[in-house]
Amino acid sequence: GQNIDQPTEMTATEGAIVQINCTYQTSGFNGLFWYQQHAGEAPTFLSYNVLDGLEEKGRFSSFLSRSKGYSYLLLKELQMKDSASYLCAARDDKIIFGKGTRLHILP
Amino acid sequence: NAGVTQTPKFRILKIGQSMTLQCTQDMNHNYMYWYRQDPGMGLKLIYYSVGAGITDKGEVPNGYNVSRSTTEDFPLRLELAAPSQTSVYFCASRRDRGQLDTEAFFGQGTRLTVV
Repeated sequence: GQNIDQPTEMTATEGAIVQINCTYQTSGFNGLFWYQQHAGEAPTFLSYNVLDGLEEKGRFSSFLSRSKGYSYLLLKELQMKDSASYLCAARDDKIIFGKGTRLHILP
Repeated sequence: NAGVTQTPKFRILKIGQSMTLQCTQDMNHNYMYWYRQDPGMGLKLIYYSVGAGITDKGEVPNGYNVSRSTTEDFPLRLELAAPSQTSVYFCASRRDRGQLDTEAFFGQGTRLTVV
């Protein structure tokens, strides 16, 4: 079966750092995606991890532990435009998404 | 390079009507996917395809059908529309390159209302 869990909502302050966690249990696994989705828009790609460890891309970093079935997305120097939903997704041939984490940024 | 194109952008259907949601990609991607997204929820996989002539069910296939006669096109068919199919539908594609994979690219979505 497929099960991907992430928190439903989080709140953080502009300029701060936030970590969004994701745990997954899937029958097949070849990598993990993080996508950002603003309300009313299509998802846009943030990061992809296939090996254990940290991938850094500017203000955004993503970590993967395959043995623990665990990933996180780290957002630094938060800006108001980072208010969005963040979707964790595990892939083999299929790409299965979690329910998304709605991030609210306070000024 | 248009990427992934979905048509129509909006549609209102009556219960029991049929329609086809179109999805075309011009990136020569072998993998294509259809998702639905209900308000405030994540994406649920309806069907996917790993190449022309090959399709498989996802998490929520009931009430839908697909075909993949070409690499570029992956239409989604609703035969007897029901109110439960009111949702936003997204098509996506990616090129499978094993561990060198990159992201799936999404179309802009089709907002479907069944009344």
